[in-house]
Amino acid sequence: RKEVEQDPGPFNVPEGATVAFNCTYSNSASQSFFWYRQDCRKEPKLLMSVYSSGNEDGRFTAQLNRASQYISLLIRDSKLSDSATYLCVVNPGLRDDKIIFGKGTRLHILP
Amino acid sequence: DAGVTQSPTHLIKTRGQQVTLRCSPISGHKSVSWYQQVLGQGPQFIFQYYEKEERGRGNFPDRFSARQFPNYSSELNVNALLLGDSALYLCASSPGAANYGYTFGSGTRLTVV
Repeated sequence: RKEVEQDPGPFNVPEGATVAFNCTYSNSASQSFFWYRQDCRKEPKLLMSVYSSGNEDGRFTAQLNRASQYISLLIRDSKLSDSATYLCVVNPGLRDDKIIFGKGTRLHILP
Repeated sequence: DAGVTQSPTHLIKTRGQQVTLRCSPISGHKSVSWYQQVLGQGPQFIFQYYEKEERGRGNFPDRFSARQFPNYSSELNVNALLLGDSALYLCASSPGAANYGYTFGSGTRLTVV
């Protein structure tokens, strides 16, 4: 099993729809989790951290399921500007010495 | 406040040459990490430095080396370049704590011909 796995997509979703991605991780001792967004030929940018209790930031909701070892990202009322690659990031340990990126899920919002 | 700055932005080298990439972290950040991103893939961890000491190394050959300076800036060196080293090289800085997440620079796009 890969350390961090994501469905590469692409997800083609009409504007205004709700879309959700999952990301699975292999190390059950992983400590912290993040979602990053990456636009074409740009650097990744932190979208949100993922907390055990789940967290919401506007139209974005992140959830963590430790029992099944996955995190999820839900985007409501999707906008054209949400089109990007969404990278799942896992920190396997307490030390900030190696965070692991998934390969990313490509999202295309269709007008 | 300036973000993470990387130089150069683009670079073309020939096989066998050596390259040095530079990164300045956000002011106050003591941790710098280097990632390689090949087109269509997620970033792959190369190195992490914290307080001038190497704290982590990814699965890259010894041709890759790095260091961090007293002002927390960092250099990534790659020797004996191969065509497969062509990628976007990303530098990320963080205060050092595991839960803060990283801020990335805009990267150096290296092309090896």
